[in-house]
Amino acid sequence: AQSVTQLGSHVSVSEGALVLLRCNYSSSVPPYLFWYVQYPNQGLQLLLKYTSAATLVKGINGFEAEFKKSETSFHLTKPSAHMSDAAEYFCAVTHEKLTFGTGTRLTIIP
Amino acid sequence: DTGVSQDPRHKITKRGQNVTFRCDPISEHNRLYWYRQTLGQGPEFLTYFQNEAQLEKSRLLSDRFSAERPKGSFSTLEIQRTEQGDSAMYLCASSTGTSGGYTDTQYFGPGTRLTVL
Repeated sequence: AQSVTQLGSHVSVSEGALVLLRCNYSSSVPPYLFWYVQYPNQGLQLLLKYTSAATLVKGINGFEAEFKKSETSFHLTKPSAHMSDAAEYFCAVTHEKLTFGTGTRLTIIP
Repeated sequence: DTGVSQDPRHKITKRGQNVTFRCDPISEHNRLYWYRQTLGQGPEFLTYFQNEAQLEKSRLLSDRFSAERPKGSFSTLEIQRTEQGDSAMYLCASSTGTSGGYTDTQYFGPGTRLTVL
């Protein structure tokens, strides 16, 4: 069975500060990992995905994530937060179907 | 490419009524997925189709739930005898299915929010 755990259901950062959203995975096979973003009343949009190529994955809107097998982690980062980054972020692992974490709500403080 | 569309966007119904949702995937996407998302949770997998074949159903999908994709294009999700616990956002996603589903990007629709009174 595969699963992901997102640490911190709510994260607040100041505009311009570093964004760090944490995700740890559990998988019996090499995982494929995804980060999705969900804005209010909208569907999910893919930010980036790891598919066993480069361990540092760059996504849209300046986000990136690093796959660390030794730590079973796939944390999402962005160097400088923008007000438009306020949303819910979901980490997910896939084995044909996506298994999502419980999400992290990111709030940006002006 | 107009994206995944879902209809209706909102549905309010009384307990015991039947409801049906529709999902139109991105054209030529072979795989279609249904997920359910409750407040404060991540989406949970319900079922998926490869073309018209329903390949997997979650145990979350009780016998009151049925999904179809008759011509391998749009899909419907029906809930019979709705219960208050069915209140949730129902999300549809589609993908090309070219990599066996493992690494395909799933594109999500805006969802149908169901409220059961």
